[in-house]
This record gives sequence, C-alpha cells and structure tokens, in this order.
Amino acid sequence: AQSVAQPEDQVNVAEGNPLTVKCTYSVSGNPYLFWYVQYPNRGLQFLLKYITGDNLVKGSYGFEAEFNKSQTSFHLKKPSALVSDSALYFCAVRDLNSGYSTLTFGKGTMLLVSP
Amino acid sequence: EAGVAQSPRYKIIEKRQSVAFWCNPISGHATLYWYQQILGQGPKLLIQFQNNGVVDDSQLPKDRFSAERLKGVDSTLKIQPAKLEDSAVYLCASSLADRATTDTQYFGPGTRLTVL
Repeated sequence: AQSVAQPEDQVNVAEGNPLTVKCTYSVSGNPYLFWYVQYPNRGLQFLLKYITGDNLVKGSYGFEAEFNKSQTSFHLKKPSALVSDSALYFCAVRDLNSGYSTLTFGKGTMLLVSP
Repeated sequence: EAGVAQSPRYKIIEKRQSVAFWCNPISGHATLYWYQQILGQGPKLLIQFQNNGVVDDSQLPKDRFSAERLKGVDSTLKIQPAKLEDSAVYLCASSLADRATTDTQYFGPGTRLTVL
C-alpha cells in the first residue's frame, strides 16, 4: 500500500527567510509525487509534480521540490517566503506502476509566514 | 480555461436528511473524482469515474452514498441518510485522462457539509 507522511503539523517562518515543508512517501513501484496548496475555503491548487528526470522540480509561485529516492522524500522549498504563502500544504503520491491506483494524500502541513 | 465548478458551496442539514452535491469538470476531462476531506486530514478518494463508468468506488460507503456521472460530463454525489460523521468538505476533481497515470488532477472549490 502507498502512503505519505508529513511529519510537521505546522511550520513557522519569517517573511524573507527560506522555507521547507517535509514529505516522505512509501510506494511499491515508482513514485509519482505532487504538492498542492489549499487556501481557506478554497479547493486544492496544484503547485508541482515529479514524474522522472531532474530531482529538483520547479513549480508555481516560486516553489520547488527536491526528490530524494534514497530517503524516499519530496520536500517542498522556497528560497524567500512571503506572508501570502501562508496556507495548508499537501503532499500526495501515486504508484506509477499500478494502473488505476489512487492518489494518496498526507494530512497536510500548515505554513505560517510572519511579517 | 474554466476550472472545476461545484455547488452548493455550503450546506447545513440535520442527521438522517439527504443531500446532493453537483460537479462540472474542466471541459474535455475524461476522469472525474469525488474526495471527502475531514477537518485536519488530507482528502480521501470516494469514487473515480472515467467518462461515465466507475473505475474505483472501493472507499464509498455504498449504504448511504451514491454517485453518478450521466453522459460523461457533470456528476452528482448524494448522501442519504446523512450521519454526523459525514460533516466534511466534499471536493470534486478532474483530469484529462486516467490511462496516463501522470495526469494532474485539478480541484474545485469544494462543498462544506455540516450535519447537525
């Protein structure tokens, strides 16, 4: 079975500082990894995805994520945080080798960026 | 390009009542998903359609939940009768095709259901 762990319920960072939101995953085959962001009373917005290739994936709003196969991690990063980045972030995984396998989400990490 | 549309945005009902949610996916998207997101948790897939056929409904509580996707476009999700534990946000998502497992799912704004 596939699973995702987001070990931090909340991450606090000051505006202008770099941020990292952690994600580790478990799949039996090759992983297909996503990050989504959710603002209050809104649906999930796609940020970026990793399928194959370069381990550093660049996405929307200046976010990037680093795939590390040996550590089974896919941490979300941004060099300089903005107050407007404050939101709930979800990591998700899908097994590339499982046909119709579902997308499994982590429980989410709340990012709070202080002015 | 218009996104995934859902209605209503909010619904409050009493337990044992019935409720229905509507979803219109992105034009041309073959695959439609319904997720349940309970407060403090990530979304959980309830049902997945490809065109108008069900691909996966293994986590749908079929004694009270039902869903359909007539003509392979719009979809409705129904709960009858509702229980307190059904209070959640119901998210609809769509993707271009499911055979290509690398497809991105795009989400609607969700319907927040409160069962009293």
